[in-house]
Amino acid sequence: EVQLVESGGGLVQPGGSLRLTCAASGFTLSRYWMTWVRQAPGKGLEWVANIKGDGSEKYYVDSVKGRFAISRDNAKNSLSLQMNSLRAEDTALYYCARGVITDSWGQGTLVTVSS
Amino acid sequence: QSVLTQPPSASGTPGQRVTISCSGSTSNIGSDTVNWYQQLPGTAPKLLIYDNNQRPSGVPDRFSGSKSGTSASLAISGLQSEDEADYYCATWDGSLNSFVFGAGTKVTVL
Repeated sequence: EVQLVESGGGLVQPGGSLRLTCAASGFTLSRYWMTWVRQAPGKGLEWVANIKGDGSEKYYVDSVKGRFAISRDNAKNSLSLQMNSLRAEDTALYYCARGVITDSWGQGTLVTVSS
Repeated sequence: QSVLTQPPSASGTPGQRVTISCSGSTSNIGSDTVNWYQQLPGTAPKLLIYDNNQRPSGVPDRFSGSKSGTSASLAISGLQSEDEADYYCATWDGSLNSFVFGAGTKVTVL
């Protein structure tokens, strides 16, 4: 059974940093692109970034370019999102999802950016 | 403001057929396949349709997708109370070089 478990969310001040982690199990991580998607409270879904199976390609939504960095450690079955220079508008539930088509999702980890 | 346009809401009575539209452009729907997601209240999204009209294992055949040109649609036939949810279309946008979601359509079963 595919399982994705996000962690690392919390309350952070504007300008601060957080590192989110997604622990993957039930499939061979290296064979899949992996994706981060976020959802602000009461709002719709927003794609954030994705990374190829071997880490050689990465894509980001314009609003996080230069501030967020996606990475993976296939040996540890782990996906990460390093978030720097956080802004109030980054407040959201962050989901990791498997593949380009995002066929499996975790339950999300909440990031709140507030002073 | 999403580049994919969905109606904010749709509704129907049990057993009816409901259709949700998703309108885009040549840089997104017109040049790539479309996925649909269902998000039940308080839960993570779930992939409902991929590659325009393919259902993942376990998704009832009451759900169907189609695409024509720069538009796509999701149809729910035999509407059931458990279908009350938010539905999102999504695809890759070659101009933005990013995956894009529609703003979502809330389906209510009357």
